[in-house]
Order: sequence, then C-alpha cells, then structure tokens
Amino acid sequence: EAQVTQNPRYLITVTGKKLTVTCSQNMNHEYMSWYRQDPGLGLRQIYYSMNVEVTDKGDVPEGYKVSRKEKRNFPLILESPSPNQTSLYFCASSFNRNTEAFFGQGTRLTVV
Amino acid sequence: AQKITQTQPGMFVQEKEAVTLDCTYDTSDQSYGLFWYKQPSSGEMIFLIYQGSYDEQNATEGRYSLNFQKARKSANLVISASQLGDSAMYFCAMRDWETSYDKVIFGPGTSLSVIP
Repeated sequence: EAQVTQNPRYLITVTGKKLTVTCSQNMNHEYMSWYRQDPGLGLRQIYYSMNVEVTDKGDVPEGYKVSRKEKRNFPLILESPSPNQTSLYFCASSFNRNTEAFFGQGTRLTVV
Repeated sequence: AQKITQTQPGMFVQEKEAVTLDCTYDTSDQSYGLFWYKQPSSGEMIFLIYQGSYDEQNATEGRYSLNFQKARKSANLVISASQLGDSAMYFCAMRDWETSYDKVIFGPGTSLSVIP
C-alpha cells in the first residue's frame, strides 16, 4: 500500500530535549516536505526536499533541521524544542510538483 | 509574497445540496498548481482535486469540481450533493512551478458542516 509513515503519532517532551520525528515513504517520490498546522493558520511549510541530499527552507524553518540521506526518509529534528513549537506536524511526499501530495498521519507534539 | 485567502472560516450546508468554498490566491508567477485537501476530524489530509494554471478546462473529480478563474485569481471548490461525510476542514493550496524552490502555500481553511 502506498503510504507516508510518520512516527511517533503523539509526543510530549520538555523544553530543550532534542527529538526526531521520522517520516518514510514507499512510493519512490522525489519531493518531500514538512509542515506544521496551527489553528487559523492552515499548514505552513517548514522544510522541503526535491531529491536526496537536496533540502531547503520553507516559510517557518527556525528551530528545525532536516536531512535527506535516502530517498525514502526525511526526518525532522528539533535540536532544542520550545513551547512555541507545540503543533501538529505533517510530512508529505509527491512524485512531482503538479501531482497530489500524500500526507503522513500527523504527529501531535507538545513541548512543556 | 504569495498568499492564499479563504474568506469563509465556517460554512453550513443542507445534506444533498451543493456548496461552494472560496479560494483566492496571490502570485506574480504564471506557472503554478492549485490543490484542495480535506481534513476530517480524524486528522488525516486527503487530496481532492488539482488544477494547473495552464489548464483550460475546470477540473472535476466525481462530486468535486473546481471553478477556476485565472484572471480573478480564484479557485473555488464546488461540492455537489453534499453528504454527512463531507463535514470537515477544507484547505486550498498553491504550488509554484517556476522557480527552483518547491514552495507550497496553504490557506487557513474552511470548516464545512453538513446538516441532515
């Protein structure tokens, strides 16, 4: 089954404790992105990747890191999480820019 | 800067009626794609329909159609014969083709409630 898998689904952590949210897709897609969703703001792009070893900042990259060492995986790293990073996070992948994006199930992150 | 506006934070529609969800966008680019996604209360994001900026025909997918007016920079989603399962958040999104960046912009969303 074609899918994007994110882990974990829910995470509560403390300020400053490094964490990684994993994202994996099995569709051989070139394009992958991370988004955060906050009420009233829709989804905002954090980082994207157009190919292995090619990543770039989206609209809200501060406080986040990503890597794309293999085509299928695109982890999101929060080196020192802060409460303003409490949000719902989505990973998405697509074959190219004019095809639909497939989204992961989402990760609900709470930083206390 | 690119921007998506969805002016209807919440909407109600009677079951079996048609409903239009508004989306206007702002871009100076000529090449872009417009997408609509549905997010039910369970949280997943579901792709509904796509329109390319050079497509001359309005996109249709089953009960979903996109009323694309390029000169007015609008891409409204029309849902025909609403069903209870259509109750959800709906997001309009734009993806740029022209630049070497893969920018994707989402609107704030419209919450649709279908009334029996």
